[in-house]
Amino acid sequence: SQTIHQWPATLVQPVGSPLSLECTVEGTSNPNLYWYRQAAGRGLQLLFYSVGIGQISSEVPQNLSASRPQDRQFILSSKKLLLSDSGFYLCAWSVPRTGRSGEAFFGQGTRLTVV
Amino acid sequence: GENVEQHPSTLSVQEGDSAVIKCTYSDSASNYFPWYKQELGKRPQLIIDIRSNVGEKKDQRIAVTLNKTAKHFSLHITETQPEDSAVYFCAASKGSASKIIFGSGTRLSIRP
Repeated sequence: SQTIHQWPATLVQPVGSPLSLECTVEGTSNPNLYWYRQAAGRGLQLLFYSVGIGQISSEVPQNLSASRPQDRQFILSSKKLLLSDSGFYLCAWSVPRTGRSGEAFFGQGTRLTVV
Repeated sequence: GENVEQHPSTLSVQEGDSAVIKCTYSDSASNYFPWYKQELGKRPQLIIDIRSNVGEKKDQRIAVTLNKTAKHFSLHITETQPEDSAVYFCAASKGSASKIIFGSGTRLSIRP
């Protein structure tokens, strides 16, 4: 069966520090991968999505970046965090093959607090 | 690009009553419309979905309707129970190889 791992679960970082959040998927190949951010009491904002290794689409201009160095690995990074980067970050994957549902499966999330 | 609007942002209903959450989408090419439930501090999980070739789908107390012409879809929860309290998200995508855009969420509270 497929599983998704996202870490860390919580993170407190000072303003101006770098960030690296990692997500890996097991049990499937060539998944679509997503990074979403959920601010407190708000909706799910799509940050990045990827349909293959090295293929990253950015949805919102900001000081975050994403990389997909391996088929089932998705990394969210920042060189210098801002206070506004605080939030709940969710990694997700979906099956890209035609005929499958397209349902997104979410990781446990990372609660990032920038202080 | 695709935009999904969701209403209301908060909803409080008496236990046993029905709850309805509505969403509209902008891209007429969207063909897959899932609904997710997110309990406090947890990840969103799919509860029901509908494809554009279907007008209505039901799963026990939960149903979803889709009006392609008007580009809106709705979630209906009947006989609400305390465990239905959560944040609900609608979403839209153009198929299994495209991005999934979420609505802003509805915080549903069930009053005992």
